[in-house]
Amino acid sequence: GENVEQHPSTLSVQEGDSAVIKCTYSDSASNYFPWYKQELGKRPQLIIDIRSNVGEKKDQRIAVTLNKTAKHFSLHITETQPEDSAVYFCAATSADSNYQLIWGAGTKLIIKP
Amino acid sequence: DVKVTQSSRYLVKRTGEKVFLECVQDMDHENMFWYRQDPGLGLRLIYFSYDVKMKEKGDIPEGYSVSREKKERFSLILESASTNQTSMYLCASSLELMGGEVLDEQFFGPGTRLTVL
Repeated sequence: GENVEQHPSTLSVQEGDSAVIKCTYSDSASNYFPWYKQELGKRPQLIIDIRSNVGEKKDQRIAVTLNKTAKHFSLHITETQPEDSAVYFCAATSADSNYQLIWGAGTKLIIKP
Repeated sequence: DVKVTQSSRYLVKRTGEKVFLECVQDMDHENMFWYRQDPGLGLRLIYFSYDVKMKEKGDIPEGYSVSREKKERFSLILESASTNQTSMYLCASSLELMGGEVLDEQFFGPGTRLTVL
C-alpha cells in the first residue's frame, strides 16, 4: 500500500528565511497531495494542495511542487514569520486504500526571531 | 464556515470501559472520518463513512467500531478501552466522494484527548 515519508521531523529557520519540507510517496497512482498546518493545541487545517496534473502551485508565501517521476512533493514557505511556527503534515491519496489520505509523520517548524 | 464539533476535549477512562466519542458536522458533508494522532506517527485513519449507515475500515480499526445513524453525526466506540488507546482522536468531514476519489478538503474537529488508565 501507499507509504508517505516526510522530512525533516523538525526544522528551525531564522525569521525571514525560507523553509522547505519534503515528502515522498510510493504509489504511482496517487493523484492528490494536500498540506495541512496544525498550530499548537489547534486542529489541522488545509493550507495548499496540488493535483497530479500540475507541477507547481503558489499561494502568496506558500508554494508546493510535485515531481511525479521521482514521486516526491515539497512545501516551500518564503519570508517566514513567527505565525508560521506549527506542525505541517503532507498527505497523498492511495488507490490501494480507496483513495483515502495517507499522512506523513509531520514536521515541526520553528521560526527563530 | 464548516463547523465540526467533538463531544469532549479531554476524557479519562479506565481499562475495560466502553467509550463513546461523538462528532457532529453542520455542513451536510457526506464523508466523515476518525483519526488518531500520536507523536511521530502523523494521523492514522481508524474508520471512515461515506454515507449514513455506511462504514469502511481504515488503517487501524482493531479495537474500535463506529456508528453513523444520521448524516451529521459519526460516533467512534471503544468497546473495551485499553491503555494503548490513549491518544488524541480527531474527527473530520469532507464533501462527497466523487468517482472513487477524495477530492476535497477535510475539515477537522478540535480533537478529544483520551487517557486510559
